[in-house]
Amino acid sequence: NAGVTQTPKFRVLKTGQSMTLLCAQDMNHEYMYWYRQDPGMGLRLIHYSVGEGTTAKGEVPDGYNVSRLKKQNFLLGLESAAPSQTSVYFCASSFYHGQKPGETQYFGPGTRLLVL
Amino acid sequence: GEDVEQSLFLSVREGDSSVINCTYTDSSSTYLYWYKQEPGAGLQLLTYIFSNMDMKQDQRLTVLLNKKDKHLSLRIADTQTGDSAIYFCAESFSGGYNKLIFGAGTRLAVHP
Repeated sequence: NAGVTQTPKFRVLKTGQSMTLLCAQDMNHEYMYWYRQDPGMGLRLIHYSVGEGTTAKGEVPDGYNVSRLKKQNFLLGLESAAPSQTSVYFCASSFYHGQKPGETQYFGPGTRLLVL
Repeated sequence: GEDVEQSLFLSVREGDSSVINCTYTDSSSTYLYWYKQEPGAGLQLLTYIFSNMDMKQDQRLTVLLNKKDKHLSLRIADTQTGDSAIYFCAESFSGGYNKLIFGAGTRLAVHP
């Protein structure tokens, strides 16, 4: 199993450009998540999905959109990138809560995004 | 509200024990987790403890939970250079979407 994979690993954008980050998981997890990680801060949840075709806002959703057309994929879009969106983006997936005791989220390796 | 706090940096000598501390505010969490993040990598689950337990041991790792003080600690025995990383504590909550609240992470530096 590859687990959780993210594409691309690194990207540089100019202000105003758009891009899509792709997350894929092969563990048949129902739930998927997008986080951003900034220096000196914990991971903050951007958007999440509790199943194919569903999405919901997390803690910091502004400036981002997501789609979950297939169970194994979760896409994060930036319509008009801003320097404040320079960050490391992590995707994660999990079973639904309570399915397995102690079961938690599994994380991808991250995408480093620099917006100039 | 939900908040998780950790000290940002810890330096230890190789072979010594490391203790990383975490405090949280919401006592309704179900599980508390420790994740490890190595440079350039994602978060890897190290261990977890159920919120009604006081202690869990897993090889070199010991997790202590003081529910009264809302304090969680991770002890790493015989710390090695390979343990150098950022350690995040996180708490999860029942219901909803497997919500996790993370601390800012403690950077552990192991020196000879």
